[in-house]
Amino acid sequence: EPEVTQTPSHQVTQMGQEVILRCVPISNHLYFYWYRQILGQKVEFLVSFYNNEISEKSEIFDDQFSVERPDGSNFTLKIRSTKLEDSAMYFCASARTGNDQPQHFGDGTRLSIL
Amino acid sequence: QKEVEQDPGPLSVPEGAIVSLNCTYSNSAFQYFMWYRQYSRKGPELLMYTYSSGNKEDGRFTAQVDKSSKYISLFIRDSQPSDSATYLCAMGFNQAGTALIFGKGTTLSVSS
Repeated sequence: EPEVTQTPSHQVTQMGQEVILRCVPISNHLYFYWYRQILGQKVEFLVSFYNNEISEKSEIFDDQFSVERPDGSNFTLKIRSTKLEDSAMYFCASARTGNDQPQHFGDGTRLSIL
Repeated sequence: QKEVEQDPGPLSVPEGAIVSLNCTYSNSAFQYFMWYRQYSRKGPELLMYTYSSGNKEDGRFTAQVDKSSKYISLFIRDSQPSDSATYLCAMGFNQAGTALIFGKGTTLSVSS
């Protein structure tokens, strides 16, 4: 069964450094999402992306964050200058269409900021 | 308001028990209701997906949505040790490309 793949599985970065998290969504999916989960807390929405544009973003997704679909298969989340509070699991999700089809999640990237 | 409330547990049951997991919500605009299962250090895995009110059954799993009460449930019959995981409810709006709003998750442990 097709799945969403994310790399790396664990990223350790010094505070203030830039980090790029990578995702390969399911191939025929058109909607792409990033969520994060701080340890012990809810899964929180960051941003959705469709047709090379951001569809919706949360308050968390400030100017330090950006997303890009650099080619036909990858979907990336960039954090420009990481903070300690950015430490979390970051999940990529994709859906074939809008909300009438469910979102499928990858296994996440654990981001640790030192 | 987008809050989704879910009792975090933990919930411990013996193998073979019927498990009931629940979420309540406050925003009547939610139209899509999902249950995800999450194992430790893994991503949410879709279990059940329901549009609007009603019941849906898939093997040992039954999802119920009561929009009038703003209450959703997941029932697991004949629970197995492999069902031990965190169960997340999530809800979405009837608008393409918008966020899912998650509950905090209920941790379930099924003992053999």
